[in-house]
Amino acid sequence: QAHLVQSGGDVVQPGSSVTVSCKTSGYTFTRHVINWVRLAPGQGFEWMGWVSPHDGDTNYAQRFRDRVTMTTDTSTATAYLHLRTLTSDDAALYYCAKSADPGPNRPKGGFDTWGQGTLVIVSS
Amino acid sequence: DFQMTQSPSSLSASVGDRVNITCRTSPGIGSYLNWYHQRLGEAPRLLIYAAIALASGVPSRFSASQFGTDFTLIINSLQPEDFGTYFCQQSFVAPWNFGRGTKVDMK
Repeated sequence: QAHLVQSGGDVVQPGSSVTVSCKTSGYTFTRHVINWVRLAPGQGFEWMGWVSPHDGDTNYAQRFRDRVTMTTDTSTATAYLHLRTLTSDDAALYYCAKSADPGPNRPKGGFDTWGQGTLVIVSS
Repeated sequence: DFQMTQSPSSLSASVGDRVNITCRTSPGIGSYLNWYHQRLGEAPRLLIYAAIALASGVPSRFSASQFGTDFTLIINSLQPEDFGTYFCQQSFVAPWNFGRGTKVDMK
């Protein structure tokens, strides 16, 4: 059974960056893309993009494209989200989520496993 | 981006009630619609994928239907563990955006 465990919460200053990790287990890491989704106060879930552990390919949502980097480390089956130039609007719970379907295509099977979430607070 | 209109935004129900939650998309997305449930302080859980398919381990009191661009999640006989927030998500075209959620609380 797949399991995703994220790094702990963080308090970061405006203008700085944050990195969230997502360690996976229980399935073949390279077969399924990892998505990053955030939930800000008073907002709905927002999909930020995906990264493919198979070849490092990425697909970022347009609004994050200039300040986000998603990577993976196949030796530890861990995915990473790096977000730069944070503002108060970036304060949110950040989740990694595994696509149910193998490969980077449309996730008709949805996101079948989620991490526990990482709280990022932006404050000076 | 595709528009996802989820309703109602909240509802109050009792254990044993039947609950319907709707998600309307514009434009159409075929059957690329998923439903999730999130309890307070927990990670979301996939309930339904591909509009009507029950995810692994999800109780049979959950079901879903589709009529064109209207998608409905149905909970027959609401149980105490079913309270929380429900979200729809389209997975037809990136960004795979979500509805705003329906909060189900106890009447």
